[in-house]
Parts: sequence; C-alpha cells; structure tokens
Amino acid sequence: GDSVTQMEGPVTLSEEAFLTINCTYTATGYPSLFWYVQYPGEGLQLLLKATKADDKGSNKGFEATYRKETTSFHLEKGSVQVSDSAVYFCALSDPGTGGFKTIFGAGTRLFVKA
Amino acid sequence: EAGVTQFPSHSVIEKGQTVTLRCDPISGHDNLYWYRRVMGKEIKFLLHFVKESKQDESGMPNNRFLAERTGGTYSTLKVQPAELEDSGVYFCASSQVERGGYTFGSGTRLTVV
Repeated sequence: GDSVTQMEGPVTLSEEAFLTINCTYTATGYPSLFWYVQYPGEGLQLLLKATKADDKGSNKGFEATYRKETTSFHLEKGSVQVSDSAVYFCALSDPGTGGFKTIFGAGTRLFVKA
Repeated sequence: EAGVTQFPSHSVIEKGQTVTLRCDPISGHDNLYWYRRVMGKEIKFLLHFVKESKQDESGMPNNRFLAERTGGTYSTLKVQPAELEDSGVYFCASSQVERGGYTFGSGTRLTVV
C-alpha cells in the first residue's frame, strides 16, 4: 500500500542554518504531496503542497519539489529561525488507490537554537 | 473564518470508561476526517464523512469506536469501553474539496489509565 517515509528526528540546528528534511513515498497512483507543520500546543497546519510531478510548493520560506523519478518531496529552507521549531509531517493523498484519506509520515521534530 | 474546533483538549479516563470527542468543522466544509496519533508514531486515518455519510471508515480500529455526524455539521467520536492502547492524540480535519489539503483542529489528547 501507499506509504511515506521521512527522516527521523530530532533535527537540531542553529538559527540561520540551512534545513533539509527528507521525505520519500510509495504510491501506485498519482498522489498529491503535502507538508504539514505542528507548532507546540497547536494543531497541524498545511505548510505547502504539490499536486503533480515537478511542481514546487512553497510557503513561509519553505519549499519542496515533487520528484516523481526519485519519489521524493524533500522540505528545504535556506535560513531557519527559532520560530520554525515544530514537528513537520510529510503526507500524500492518492484518490486513485486510497480514496480521499491522507497517509502521513511519522513526523520530524525540528529544534532551532538561537 | 473560525477554524476546526475540537473538545475537550485533554481527557484522562480510566480503562473501561466511555469518552466522547467532538469536532466542529469549518462551516460549509462537507468533508470531515478523523485521525489519531498514538505514541508519537504516524498519524493514522480513522474515517471520512461527506456531509452526514461515512465515505470511508476503513481506519476504525474496532467496534469500540463509533463516529457520527448527524445533520452533516459537527461530529462525535465515541470510544466505549476505552482501553489503554487508545491513548493518543485524536485530530479532526475538514475540507471543502477532497484533494486540496485539510484544516486540522488542535486535537484531543486522550489518556486512558
């Protein structure tokens, strides 16, 4: 079945460092891909999305490119801030095979130090 | 617009008791989803409503879990009787279209002792 694998955390970075959180997926159809973020004490928020191959999703300085050839959707940010400390979830939705549910990765916790 | 609202935010109950979680989706969102995250693992799908109908309940773990969405507005998720392994964070989400990404509530942290 469909699945999402993302790098284990926690990831600890200093402010202004470059961030990459790796995400790969397995899907038999043509999924949409998402990154969600959960800040401390809050619910999940949709950070960005891409619906087809080679699309780039971007928001708040974060970006991720849908790479069908490598089945990846890595999250990047050029300069992280303390306020980016949160848990990041990679996810996919594959209506062709999985209905309209979303499959999530296990989450990667990011700590950014001042 | 108001977001997705869940309550209670926390619930601690004893094994064998009953708990009911509530979710109020964003007004006008026909699609409502329940998910849960157990022990810091993946967020797992439980079920999907379209208006008041259960579109997909393949993720419901067993018959101790009952979800309803009367009138196609708010939804409840009842766990009866609760077991220790039911502890986790239960998220509700809603969306207007099915493929565009959800708006999540803040979740209900359920602890069964």
